[in-house]
Amino acid sequence: KAGVTQTPRYLIKTRGQQVTLSCSPISGHRSVSWYQQTPGQGLQFLFEYFSETQRNKGNFPGRFSGRQFSNSRSEMNVSTLELGDSALYLCASSPGRTDTQYFGPGTRLTVL
Amino acid sequence: ILNVEQSPQSLNVQEGDSTNFTCSFPSSNFYALHWYRWETAKSPEALFVMTLNGDEKKKGRISATLNTKEGYSYLYIKGSQPEDSATYLCAFGSGNTGKLIFGQGTTLQVKP
Repeated sequence: KAGVTQTPRYLIKTRGQQVTLSCSPISGHRSVSWYQQTPGQGLQFLFEYFSETQRNKGNFPGRFSGRQFSNSRSEMNVSTLELGDSALYLCASSPGRTDTQYFGPGTRLTVL
Repeated sequence: ILNVEQSPQSLNVQEGDSTNFTCSFPSSNFYALHWYRWETAKSPEALFVMTLNGDEKKKGRISATLNTKEGYSYLYIKGSQPEDSATYLCAFGSGNTGKLIFGQGTTLQVKP
């Protein structure tokens, strides 16, 4: 079974731009969660999607948004990028909401 | 604000040493406690999910225990090997959701 895939793997943007990151979950997994990792902050929860609905959102500004499609693939969008948005963005999928989450390789976003 | 604490922050041991780490989490509204291993340049790898007070899980030389009443979990590595070098993360699952709150991790370095 293929693992969680994320595209792109690396991205360089400038302040003020917007970015869309994509996550394809393991086949059959219906739950997708997103996390941000910055140096010194650890992994911080961004969103949880299940059955195309956002079920939970972390403590992030409205510039961070996301969605989930009927095939469980998910995208997250960050608008009006700031320098502090530079981070590794990880998505994780699981069969159900409380099951083990399997992580993708991440997208490394650099904002200049 | 839910807080998950891990100690120590880092650990250097010799090959063959046994070691253990601690994860402290809120004892209220507990649903599950997850342990992950994160090697450099790889995705976080799920080790254990524990849900019941007194749970003990084992995978090879690695084992974990859970005390939900006092809000802590221990991860043990018996006879550490250089390939065990990684950051070990615990994550607290609260309620019936896919939101995980991660600790800062314990970085283990095993010297041959």
